[in-house]
Amino acid sequence: DTEVTQTPKHLVMGMTNKKSLKCEQHMGHRAMYWYKQKAKKPPELMFVYSYEKLSINESVPSRFSPECPNSSLLNLHLHALQPEDSALYLCASRLRGNTGELFFGEGSRLTVL
Amino acid sequence: AQKVTQAQTEISVVEKEDVTLDCVYETRDTTYYLFWYKQPPSGELVFLIRRNSFDEQNEISGRYSWNFQKSTSSFNFTITASQVVDSAVYFCALHLTGTASKLTFGTGTRLQVTL
Repeated sequence: DTEVTQTPKHLVMGMTNKKSLKCEQHMGHRAMYWYKQKAKKPPELMFVYSYEKLSINESVPSRFSPECPNSSLLNLHLHALQPEDSALYLCASRLRGNTGELFFGEGSRLTVL
Repeated sequence: AQKVTQAQTEISVVEKEDVTLDCVYETRDTTYYLFWYKQPPSGELVFLIRRNSFDEQNEISGRYSWNFQKSTSSFNFTITASQVVDSAVYFCALHLTGTASKLTFGTGTRLQVTL
C-alpha cells in the first residue's frame, strides 16, 4: 500500500466547476510535489512545496492553485479548467534534501467535460 | 540541459524471458542521480533504485539488476525470468544536484509480459 494517499481517485468536472484534489502523507516528509501526467507521457512537474512553502511553480496556469496547510497535507484547487487539463494528477513526497527518492501516490484521474 | 532517452517504447516478452530496458542520459554535470520507477496500471510510481554518479557499481536485487556505465551515459535495467506482474511502464529519471528537486523523466518503456 502506498504511504501517500490521494483523494478522490477519480473526478469528473465541468469547466465552470470548482473542485479540489487532496494528498496526505504521514511519513514526516517535508517536501511535497504535484505532477501532471497525460496518457502515454511521463509525469510533468507542476509545483513543489518545501517546509510548507511553495518553492517551485513550473509556470502552471492560475486555474490550478496549490495549497499546503501543514506538513502532511497538500491540496490542488481546480477552477475553470479546460478539457485539455484532463490527466492523472500525481502527488509525491520526499523526506528532505534534494536527492532522495520520491514517494508517489496512486494519483487522481481528472476528466474535464 | 539534461535529457533522458528511453528508445524502447514498448517491449513484449513471454513469461520467464529476460528483458533489458535501456536508458541513456545527457548532462554536463559531474554530480547527479539516476532513478528507475515502475508504474503499474494502478497509476502509482514505485521507486526501484537510485544511483549517484560516483557509484558505478552494478546492483542486483532479486530478479532486478542495473548496469550503470558512465562512459556510455547509460543506466540499463534488466529483469531476469520476467513475470506477468512485471507488466508496467518503467521510467528512468535524472536528477541534478542544485536543481531544487526537479526530476527529468524519460518517456517510459511499456513492458508487457504474457503467459
